[in-house]
Amino acid sequence: DAGVIQSPRHEVTEMGQEVTLRCKPISGHNSLFWYRQTMMRGLELLIYFNNNVPIDDSGMPEDRFSAKMPNASFSTLKIQPSEPRDSAVYFCASSFGQGSSYEQYFGPGTRLTVT
Amino acid sequence: DAKTTQPNSMESNEEEPVHLPCNHSTISGTDYIHWYRQLPSQGPEYVIHGLTSNVNNRMASLAIAEDRKSSTLILHRATLRDAAVYYCIPSEYNFNKFYFGSGTKLNVKP
Repeated sequence: DAGVIQSPRHEVTEMGQEVTLRCKPISGHNSLFWYRQTMMRGLELLIYFNNNVPIDDSGMPEDRFSAKMPNASFSTLKIQPSEPRDSAVYFCASSFGQGSSYEQYFGPGTRLTVT
Repeated sequence: DAKTTQPNSMESNEEEPVHLPCNHSTISGTDYIHWYRQLPSQGPEYVIHGLTSNVNNRMASLAIAEDRKSSTLILHRATLRDAAVYYCIPSEYNFNKFYFGSGTKLNVKP
């Protein structure tokens, strides 16, 4: 059974470049979450979708960050332009439902380094 | 969102039980309590969750205090693979927005 799939696993880019992170949730799950993890701030929720619709994007740090979910099996997180402080591990997670009784399943993460 | 207090670190011997405590005194009556763990260089992994009653699954047991202001994750026989950071997360009823705190780093000695 395939879990949450993220690509790329590692990304190194230069400041000012556009970065796109990709996520394929578990089939049948209708909620999708993007998180960011840094040593300083720990794991932070950036945005989450339910049935492909963004529900809460209050965690998105600034306008340079955008996320889309064009269909139930694919989501992207884009950073344009990227900055060194965006360096972090970005996780995607999915769950079967929206309520708090549902567990979330996390992908392996994308380690982003912006030089 | 309810605030949580967990010990920064704990240590256990292999094959012994481990009790990981969490205080969540501001939890509301409909918040589920989730526990996740994160092994080194991996994404968080679901362990267990519950609302009021104690819960058991193949990985662990969750003991929830009667007033729901604290809970304890119980690993019945710790293995080296259980060395990880364990997060206790109260989750709002209508949403599953998770706020990860700093968690408890569990070290398991052979």
